Amino acid sequence: DTGVSQDPRHKITKRGQNVTFRCDPISEHNRLYWYRQTLGQGPEFLTYFQNEAQLEKSRLLSDRFSAERPKGSFSTLEIQRTEQGDSAMYLCASSLGAGRGRTGELFFGEGSRLTVL
Amino acid sequence: AQTVTQSQPEMSVQEAETVTLSCTYDTSESDYYLFWYKQPPSRQMILVIRQEAYKQQNATENRFSVNFQKAAKSFSLKISDSQLGDAAMYFCAYRSASGANSKLTFGKGITLSVRP
Repeated sequence: DTGVSQDPRHKITKRGQNVTFRCDPISEHNRLYWYRQTLGQGPEFLTYFQNEAQLEKSRLLSDRFSAERPKGSFSTLEIQRTEQGDSAMYLCASSLGAGRGRTGELFFGEGSRLTVL
Repeated sequence: AQTVTQSQPEMSVQEAETVTLSCTYDTSESDYYLFWYKQPPSRQMILVIRQEAYKQQNATENRFSVNFQKAAKSFSLKISDSQLGDAAMYFCAYRSASGANSKLTFGKGITLSVRP
């Protein structure tokens, strides 16, 4: 399977605990995105990387959230001191940049669902 | 900032009939891309169709086509010959053509049900 993979698919944790999600993008994609999606809503942008550089962060990304892409391949999203409001689906997506006939569409993983009790 | 609006939260269509899903967006840019994504229940989001703003011709992909009205900032999706497998949430999304602004901005989505 050469699609975007995310791990774990489901995570249940107690308030105050730390959690980490991993995303493996499509291998030739240089851009990687994290989105958050709550039930019945559209995905909300959190952050994105071009190679290993984190180029943009949303104001949704509080200081409890940190994302890394150390070697420009896989990425991790860590949430410290989780709160019940962090319960959501965390989506990872990857893409090639736009240009030369490419529109830069995103290819999504199946998501990591977080439940904070 | 760009915004994407999907004002219909739910729609229903009879199998084999045609349905149109609406989307409007707001931007000050002249060059951008528009997308419709499909998210089946508990499954990953997949691209349905894309449109480059500089192209006047409406995109089509088999049973899926768009009505892109740039002046009106409207981008609707038409699904012809609806099938049970079309039941899903559909999201309209916008992406700037500027390399400095790479992310997609999504609407809230519309839930489409297909009646057998």
